[in-house]
Amino acid sequence: DTAVSQTPKYLVTQMGNDKSIKCEQNLGHDTMYWYKQDSKKFLKIMFSYNNKELIINETVPNRFSPKSPDKAHLNLHINSLELGDSAVYFCASSQNLGVLTFGAGSRLTVL
Amino acid sequence: AQRVTQPEKLLSVFKGAPVELKCNYSYSGSPELFWYVQYSRQRLQLLLRHISRESIKGFTADLNKGETSFHLKKPFAQEEDSAMYYCALNDTGGFKTIFGAGTRLFVKA
Repeated sequence: DTAVSQTPKYLVTQMGNDKSIKCEQNLGHDTMYWYKQDSKKFLKIMFSYNNKELIINETVPNRFSPKSPDKAHLNLHINSLELGDSAVYFCASSQNLGVLTFGAGSRLTVL
Repeated sequence: AQRVTQPEKLLSVFKGAPVELKCNYSYSGSPELFWYVQYSRQRLQLLLRHISRESIKGFTADLNKGETSFHLKKPFAQEEDSAMYYCALNDTGGFKTIFGAGTRLFVKA
């Protein structure tokens, strides 16, 4: 019974396309996050949501639009994909702020 | 600016040797610090947090406010400790956890 699940696990697409990554947590946590891990394994926060409300938007281009329909879900939609968007995207959730439970990651490859 | 620095990208030690993974931080306030670990083919997971002051899998980390450091230590490294280790800092009331660049630990037999 996976605590934080992301789909898809792998995504290969062409430049200019639009794609979405979905995330769900069954832990009852109030806060959810999206992180981007680049090819050098550097983890950078993109967004955090608390009870469906956007709290942190870390100067991410507006091609990236997160959506939280309820506090158990935080989806990430990306428009007009660029080569530099290729990365592993991690969803995470937290109840005790700072103690994050991570998903398995979604590897996005833009060709 | 709030920042977490892990100066070593790669650390290679022999099994049974002591290991220390360095972490320095920059934070205006009382910091809350964590170590996360990612084993091969596994999810990133919390290893320990400074307020717990506990030892997990033989690892300990002490917050040194004077040196603004939170180094991770283990007296005798095991092969199964080989993984990517991230030092992290809580910011913005906890809604933003800042990670260091990570250190890959490789424990040789």
